[in-house]
Amino acid sequence: GQQLNQSPQSMFIQEGEDVSMNCTSSSIFNTWLWYKQDPGEGPVLLIALYKAGELTSNGRLTAQFGITRKDSFLNISASIPSDVGIYFCAGQRNSGGSNYKLTFGKGTLLTVNP
Amino acid sequence: EADIYQTPRYLVIGTGKKITLECSQTMGHDKMYWYQQDPGMELHLIHYSYGVNSTEKGDLSSESTVSRIRTEHFPLTLESARPSHTSQYLCASRGNRTGQGYTFGSGTRLTVV
Repeated sequence: GQQLNQSPQSMFIQEGEDVSMNCTSSSIFNTWLWYKQDPGEGPVLLIALYKAGELTSNGRLTAQFGITRKDSFLNISASIPSDVGIYFCAGQRNSGGSNYKLTFGKGTLLTVNP
Repeated sequence: EADIYQTPRYLVIGTGKKITLECSQTMGHDKMYWYQQDPGMELHLIHYSYGVNSTEKGDLSSESTVSRIRTEHFPLTLESARPSHTSQYLCASRGNRTGQGYTFGSGTRLTVV
């Protein structure tokens, strides 16, 4: 099946630092999504991107839909301890049967040291 | 307030027991999914449904089964639990709008001893 390469796998940063993570694919996606999973909870949608080149912000989070439609980036500025968690990228193709399923990256585990 | 509910949140059971993990959503979504998540973080799709009486196996082979008799309800059953079934199980649903993401439940943490 399709694969998303998400990196880095984990990050250990100091409070106040900026964070960047990305996902790449060999296939084109029509939608890119970024989720955050807090410990012991299910993933929660942070940002959705629907157009190549789109740059969208949600508070301190900024995500971009790559021009080639094969990648996406998530940046977190001025990290705080509650940013700790697992961040997942997900891609969706709007064609045929794959329209209903997301392809997830393997996640980036973020640890923020106060 | 959550629109998709999973019960129980935590379950510890003995080997050989039959269990059912419940998942219900109040959003009227046709599409529902079950993911298995090991401590290594990765999400593995094990079952999905496009609507009532529709169920499909996901990308990861699983000994569990699912049913979809009502739109809002998508339970997952293990006929005979084993220690290898120990994992986090996440349920999700999605509406029909193109590009719409999933809404996840809080998960069930299953431990089989």
